[in-house]
Amino acid sequence: DAEITQSPRHKITETGRQVTLACHQTWNHNNMFWYRQDLGHGLRLIHYSYGVQDTNKGEVSDGYSVSRSNTEDLPLTLESAASSQTSVYFCASSVGAGPITGELFFGEGSRLTVL
Amino acid sequence: EDQVTQSPEALRLQEGESSSLNCSYTVSGLRGLFWYRQDPGKGPEFLFTLYSAGEEKEKERLKATLTKKESFLHITAPKPEDSATYLCAVQLFSGGYQKVTFGTGTKLQVIP
Repeated sequence: DAEITQSPRHKITETGRQVTLACHQTWNHNNMFWYRQDLGHGLRLIHYSYGVQDTNKGEVSDGYSVSRSNTEDLPLTLESAASSQTSVYFCASSVGAGPITGELFFGEGSRLTVL
Repeated sequence: EDQVTQSPEALRLQEGESSSLNCSYTVSGLRGLFWYRQDPGKGPEFLFTLYSAGEEKEKERLKATLTKKESFLHITAPKPEDSATYLCAVQLFSGGYQKVTFGTGTKLQVIP
């Protein structure tokens, strides 16, 4: 079955370190997204991609970057981790090329703690 | 400012006790409204899409409805396995691009 997988599922790091969260989907979806989920804020969009070599900033993109070199993967990098980036991160994908659709398929999440 | 508000924040029901969850929105250019279910430690799972006022969708014990200002997720005769957090999201056209905004969710607990 097609799926979307995230790794690592749990990570503890120190302030200032670079961290990369991996996301891999086997649906061959064009659109991929990274969200963070925090109590009281709901899911907030960090970055998204409509296809290979395409990346766009979401509403909370400061301190994060992504790259899309193939259809299947959208890694999320925290250049210099900060305590404010302690959160649960979700990768998602959707069918289609172009405008964001709300019918998203989510991964299981990556819990990141920055000490 | 575009906003999505879900109520109540938490709801505790006895098994078989029907109720409704609310998602109200103050957005312009609504392109769609979505409901998701999220179990603890898991990613959200897509349930329904609603596009226009008056539209209804059903799945097992769940029925989603949409008006011009809000959506309801009706749960009929819930079972303990319906316990989860239910998220609402709206897709809108804003600032020259489309985006999806999520509410903070309603945590539902169904007691046997």
